[in-house]
Order: sequence, then C-alpha cells, then structure tokens
Amino acid sequence: DADVTQTPRNRITKTGKRIMLECSQTKGHDRMYWYRQDPGLGLQLIYYSFDVKDINKGEISDGYSVSRQAQAKFSLSLESAIPNQTALYFCATRSNTGELFFGEGSRLTVL
Amino acid sequence: GQQLNQSPQSMFIQEGEDVSMNCTSSSIFNTWLWYKQDPGEGPVLLIALYKAGELTSNGRLTAQFGITRKDSFLNISASIPSDVGIYFCAGHLTGNQFYFGTGTSLTVIP
Repeated sequence: DADVTQTPRNRITKTGKRIMLECSQTKGHDRMYWYRQDPGLGLQLIYYSFDVKDINKGEISDGYSVSRQAQAKFSLSLESAIPNQTALYFCATRSNTGELFFGEGSRLTVL
Repeated sequence: GQQLNQSPQSMFIQEGEDVSMNCTSSSIFNTWLWYKQDPGEGPVLLIALYKAGELTSNGRLTAQFGITRKDSFLNISASIPSDVGIYFCAGHLTGNQFYFGTGTSLTVIP
C-alpha cells in the first residue's frame, strides 16, 4: 500500500463545480504539501502545512483552499473550478531529513 | 517559481548503455533529491543527498552532490527498458521551498 494516498485518482468536472482532492499519509510526517504539475512547467507549490494548526500559501494558491483535518490528512479544494485548473495534482509529505515523498497523483479535468 | 536547469532534456539510448544527467542552480542547497516519474504517476524518490561531495548509490543508480552545492548529477549504468521515464532533481535549502528541475525524458531502445 502507498504511504501517501490520494483520492480520487481521476476526476472530470464542469466549470463552476466545487471539487475536493483528499490526501492521507501513513509516514507520520508533520509537513504536507499540495503541488500542481502542468506539462513543461514542472511542479508548482499550492499550499503547505507544518501541522494541524498551520496552513501556508504557496506560489499559486489563488482559486484553491486547503484543510488539515489531522496530522495524516490534508485536503485540497477548488471552490469553483475553471478549465485552466485542469492539471495533475500531487500531495507530498516531508521527512525530518528533508526528503519529499509524493502520492500517486490526482488527474483533474475541468470542462 | 524557480526551476533548476536540468540537462539533457531528453535522451534516446540503447539498452545496456550508461546514462548521465545533471542539474545546476544559481543558489546553493543543503539537500539534493532525484526522482523518477512514469506518465500519470507520482514521482518516486530514487536518491537523497545531504552534503557537498557526497556520492550515493542505489543499485545501478549513482548520484553526487556537487562540491559547490549548486549542482548534482545522476548516473544510470547498464540501462534496461524499465528505466524509461522522466527523471528530475529537486533542491532544498531551508524552510519549505523545494526547487525542481525541468526533467530529463529517458527512452531506452531494446
């Protein structure tokens, strides 16, 4: 079983719909991240969290929100999805030695 | 955000050949990470490097943390078809900002 699990793996939705991507981890790491990956652009940081009480914006947070429900759970929401949010989304956790571990990804298509 | 310079962008090699790719940065890092990503899948951590000059192996993979702390390379020896994928580096200094390479697409011809 994957240490960092994302659901759903694939989602197709329409413009204006609210979408939630969920992430859970069994690695026991405090730090969790949400990244977006677009072809040719690499990974861009959306939000990150040190612990349940700590949420920080990344470089592309507009149009997104997050919730850290527990140490093991970090969800990403799109309040009103738009087509240019079509991308591959990754959750990641960070170890105390600085290693970043990624989930399998959630492919989102906004029509 | 800042991306690291990674080269080459793509490689087409024969099975059995060795592969070398590298990442360079204008900033120093405390940690270099190397990942492999298959299409539509999450990046998988291959090797982590923690100090300048460090040379670390993982099976047929070898990576080094450059002395200047601004570069790193990854070598794959005796490539096999399952090595196909996109390889990218990541650099980390402090805090929560990681910087990612632009990726090297590797194709192995049987």
